[in-house]
Amino acid sequence: DAKTTQPTSMDCAEGRAANLPCNHSTISGNEYVYWYRQIHSQGPQYIIHGLKNNETNEMASLIITEDRKSSTLILPHATLRDTAVYYCIDMLGSEKLVFGKGTKLTVNP
Amino acid sequence: EPEVTQTPSHQVTQMGQEVILRCVPISNHLYFYWYRQILGQKVEFLVSFYNNEISEKSEIFDDQFSVERPDGSNFTLKIRSTKLEDSAMYFCASSPWTGTYEQYFGPGTRLTVT
Repeated sequence: DAKTTQPTSMDCAEGRAANLPCNHSTISGNEYVYWYRQIHSQGPQYIIHGLKNNETNEMASLIITEDRKSSTLILPHATLRDTAVYYCIDMLGSEKLVFGKGTKLTVNP
Repeated sequence: EPEVTQTPSHQVTQMGQEVILRCVPISNHLYFYWYRQILGQKVEFLVSFYNNEISEKSEIFDDQFSVERPDGSNFTLKIRSTKLEDSAMYFCASSPWTGTYEQYFGPGTRLTVT
């Protein structure tokens, strides 16, 4: 079973920032935080990962709290194409990904 | 940008038949995976493959399943005798050796067992 907890669903207006929270209550010191998303009927898509520091790439920003028990994925200017299920996963190395139910983000026009 | 590709996109087969699902991982990647997603359910890990051998497999990956990297580019999943409950989307993924292990997924093969 997935080790993380996420809200079931969220809504966001197009052009606004989408902030998706995740709780990692059992994360260990050397486990990374990964975020993936799955647009309807497509394969999961890697978004971003981090260990302790905040990270940013061309898709999103990742904020990890100092105690590492929670993280937030930020899509700075959400578009309709960002409508998807978003998964946060904590994992070591090249292990299997364990997907939970994720957060269904709906971006509204 | 390099992508993982999978063929066929949709496979229909009769119960008891063998199927082979094919994947071409990203060329410089070293780790390979198969996942499946039954309609309306979570994505589930099946197997991981590294250095020409299985490194981990799930309980789902029983003796009916096998994986192979026959020619250094393709990565295949074989189901020997399909069951109705094998109907699902099957996703291949690959991962680079960069010190971290983000996985890149293909578009999937929809397997329908009748």
